[in-house]
Amino acid sequence: DGGITQSPKYLFRKEGQNVTLSCEQNLNHDAMYWYRQDPGQGLRLIYYSQIVNDFQKGDIAEGYSVSREKKESFPLTVTSAQKNPTAFYLCASSIESAWGNQPQHFGDGTRLSIL
Amino acid sequence: AQRVTQPEKLLSVFKGAPVELKCNYSYSGSPELFWYVQYSRQRLQLLLRHISRESIKGFTADLNKGETSFHLKKPFAQEEDSAMYYCALYNQGGKLIFGQGTELSVKP
Repeated sequence: DGGITQSPKYLFRKEGQNVTLSCEQNLNHDAMYWYRQDPGQGLRLIYYSQIVNDFQKGDIAEGYSVSREKKESFPLTVTSAQKNPTAFYLCASSIESAWGNQPQHFGDGTRLSIL
Repeated sequence: AQRVTQPEKLLSVFKGAPVELKCNYSYSGSPELFWYVQYSRQRLQLLLRHISRESIKGFTADLNKGETSFHLKKPFAQEEDSAMYYCALYNQGGKLIFGQGTELSVKP
């Protein structure tokens, strides 16, 4: 069954800790994205990667880091430098096409809370 | 600046009534616009895109370049349409810019 898998579904972090959110896709998509969803603010782009071993900052990258060592995986680390990490995090992927931008497919999300 | 605006946080209608979710955009080039929907306890999914010019679940959306709008419409709302709806725009850098979202509540 093809799709995007995010884990864990719920994550709790203590002050000063780094945590890593997992995102795996078996859709053979080239591009992957991380968004943060807050009430009343829509989705805001944290980082994105259009090809393996390359990624770019989105609009709110401060306090976050990513890696893209494999096509199917795009983990997001929320570092202690992120001052307001409590949020719902969504991972997405899309095909890179010569015929224009393609729709993004989303995972179920991870809800991160600070203890 | 590239921006997507959904002016209504919450839209409440009765079953069978027409519904229109507003979306306005600011973009200098030729826009690529989408509507995404998130039903309760489900993942965010694509509803429709303007280049397809199709009707999905009875919803349609027409791009109006003069008014820079891409409103989502349905003539007769159903209870199962209750969800969070997001309008989104692809910019020239290949990034998807989302509006703030509108929660649609369809009452019986």
